[in-house]
Amino acid sequence: DVKVTQSSRYLVKRTGEKVFLECVQDMDHENMFWYRQDPGLGLRLIYFSYDVKMKEKGDIPEGYSVSREKKERFSLILESASTNQTSMYLCASTAGQGVTGELFFGEGSRLTVL
Amino acid sequence: GEDVEQSLFLSVREGDSSVINCTYTDSSSTYLYWYKQEPGAGLQLLTYIFSNMDMKQDQRLTVLLNKKDKHLSLRIADTQTGDSAIYFCASASGGYQKVTFGIGTKLQVIP
Repeated sequence: DVKVTQSSRYLVKRTGEKVFLECVQDMDHENMFWYRQDPGLGLRLIYFSYDVKMKEKGDIPEGYSVSREKKERFSLILESASTNQTSMYLCASTAGQGVTGELFFGEGSRLTVL
Repeated sequence: GEDVEQSLFLSVREGDSSVINCTYTDSSSTYLYWYKQEPGAGLQLLTYIFSNMDMKQDQRLTVLLNKKDKHLSLRIADTQTGDSAIYFCASASGGYQKVTFGIGTKLQVIP
């Protein structure tokens, strides 16, 4: 069974703290994505990566960075967390030559910044 | 940028049919998707339709695509309480990188 695993389901951090969100996939997928999900706004793409050490900005990259040192792992980093980054963060992956482009999602990490 | 629009909320009685509608702006969309998100979970692909198709049926699910009007709908027959979830419409063009999601329609099924 294919699996995308996000390391933390719930996190509570303070303003200014550095936050790491980890995502691991076991499907040997080339492409990995980080989205944030907010009520009334749907899913918005933060960053994506189509290969190890490669990254591309999505629609809302400000305040975030990413790291992809290994094919199976894609990390989202908040250098200095702010209250407006309180959100649900979803990691997804897909195969590079996938026929349908189906995205496989993790269960999400709900971050609260106080 | 590209846009995908859908209503926020739909309420139906158990056993009735549900129809969730979506409009999109990207005329070059290759695939159109319906994802389902159950409470506390990530999104899971429910079904998809290729842009050169008009209709796709999969058990209780029927997807209709009107390419001229850029309108997509998802019909769930005999809706069950287990169908209560948020349903996201999404369109993809230019490959997997450019998937645009709607805001999600919350389906409430009343027993």
